[in-house]
Amino acid sequence: DIVMTQSPLSLPVTPGEPASISCRSSQSLLHRNGNVFFDWYLQRPGQSPQLLIYWGSNRAPGVPDRFSGSESGTEFTLKISRVEAEDVGVYYCMQGLQTPYTFGQGTKLEI
Amino acid sequence: EVQLVQSGGGLVQPGGSLRLSCEASGFSFSSYWFHWVRQVPGQGLVWVSRIDNYGSTTNYADSVEGRFTISRDNARNTLYLQMNNLRAEDSAVYYCGRDLAGVGSYWGPGTLVTVSS
Repeated sequence: DIVMTQSPLSLPVTPGEPASISCRSSQSLLHRNGNVFFDWYLQRPGQSPQLLIYWGSNRAPGVPDRFSGSESGTEFTLKISRVEAEDVGVYYCMQGLQTPYTFGQGTKLEI
Repeated sequence: EVQLVQSGGGLVQPGGSLRLSCEASGFSFSSYWFHWVRQVPGQGLVWVSRIDNYGSTTNYADSVEGRFTISRDNARNTLYLQMNNLRAEDSAVYYCGRDLAGVGSYWGPGTLVTVSS
């Protein structure tokens, strides 16, 4: 199975300040079609996960542009340029290259 | 508007069975692959199963292989998860998810399954 390792697991932030979360995959997530099968999700308290970033660096429709994703090999980064109160929750990375799909442990962002 | 309405969760005894449903609306159900993902309250996300848009290809996590069956009825726009021989460790919130790992990703609200005597 592909192992996804996130850091940090807890991220206290101040509104208006930037934040960054990292995720490492145990192997390349590059599909033969050229896409990287890697997503970032946010699970707000009491809600189901919602897609933020797909294929490593593509912002999902409706996601504010303060969220951005980047990738370098097997290292992935989610950046929030200026944290807002509504960004509180647990952030998960996920690989969808092969089954079983696997998730990172989650990063709890707190204000 | 895209909607996934989940039902079928509840309390069941160890060794029992339960069938979860996920009814879709607002999009072309038969165009998408679907998944089930579970989450013990307060813990992380664990992928359970996947089915292609025709219902001909399915995949399972090792922990549920042989006990759970994913299926779909494209005429009824509904995804199912038949869970047999349930164990205490299967207790979790179960989410249905559309097209994970892509721009079409969308999750249902979840349904709680509790396996206990």
